[in-house]
Amino acid sequence: SQQGEEDPQALSIQEGENATMNCSYKTSINNLQWYRQNSGRGLVHLILIRSNEREKHSGRLRVTLDTSKKSSSLLITASRAADTASYFCFTGANSKLTFGKGITLSVRP
Amino acid sequence: GAVVSQHPSWVICKSGTSVKIECRSLDFQATTMFWYRQFPKQSLMLMATSNEGSKATYEQGVEKDKFLINHASLTLSTLTVTSAHPEDSSFYICSASPGWQGSNEQFFGPGTRLTVL
Repeated sequence: SQQGEEDPQALSIQEGENATMNCSYKTSINNLQWYRQNSGRGLVHLILIRSNEREKHSGRLRVTLDTSKKSSSLLITASRAADTASYFCFTGANSKLTFGKGITLSVRP
Repeated sequence: GAVVSQHPSWVICKSGTSVKIECRSLDFQATTMFWYRQFPKQSLMLMATSNEGSKATYEQGVEKDKFLINHASLTLSTLTVTSAHPEDSSFYICSASPGWQGSNEQFFGPGTRLTVL
C-alpha cells in the first residue's frame, strides 16, 4: 500500500526560485523521510523528521511536519539546475517504508 | 559513511537465464535489507524484506521462486531473478537499514538495470 502521496505531481521552476512540495499520509507514523532520485539512479536520503518534530532544516532544505493534518512539506530554497530530480516522501511506522509516486521537479537554468 | 553498493549496475541477458544481483553495505552492518523494483517514471515497489540469517518476507504478488533472495551476512544480500523473461526487465534497487537508534532510515544502492532479451 502507498502511504506517502506527494503533490504536485510535477513542478517546473526557474533557477533561483523556491520549490515547495507536499506529502500527505494516512496512518500514524514514527517519522517521515524525503528522498531524491536523479533519472535512472538510486535514491539519496535528504532528511528525516520525527513525529515529535515540527520543522527541520538541512542546508537549503526545510521540512515541516503537521501530524494533525498528516502532511509534510519540503521546501528547497534558491533552487539550482542540479536539483532537477524526482522527490519522494516515505513514511515509517516500522522497518518498512512505503512510497508515494513522487514529484518530478524541473529547474530551468 | 552509510554507503550501499550494487553489482552489476546493468545487465543484459537472454530469456530463460538467471541473473544474480548483489547488494552490499560497505561501511555498516545492515540488520535488514530491502529489494525494490521500479518501472520507468513510477515509484519504487517493495518486493521483499530480508533479514540476515532468515528467510525473506515477500510482498503480495511477488513470486518467491522467481525472485530468490539470500541474505548471507550482515553486509550482503543477493537477488536472483530465475528464468528471466522480458517482462522482468526493470530497474532493481536495494536498500539497507542499519537500525541505528531504532531508526528505519534506509540507505539505497545505485540500482541495477536488467534488460531481458
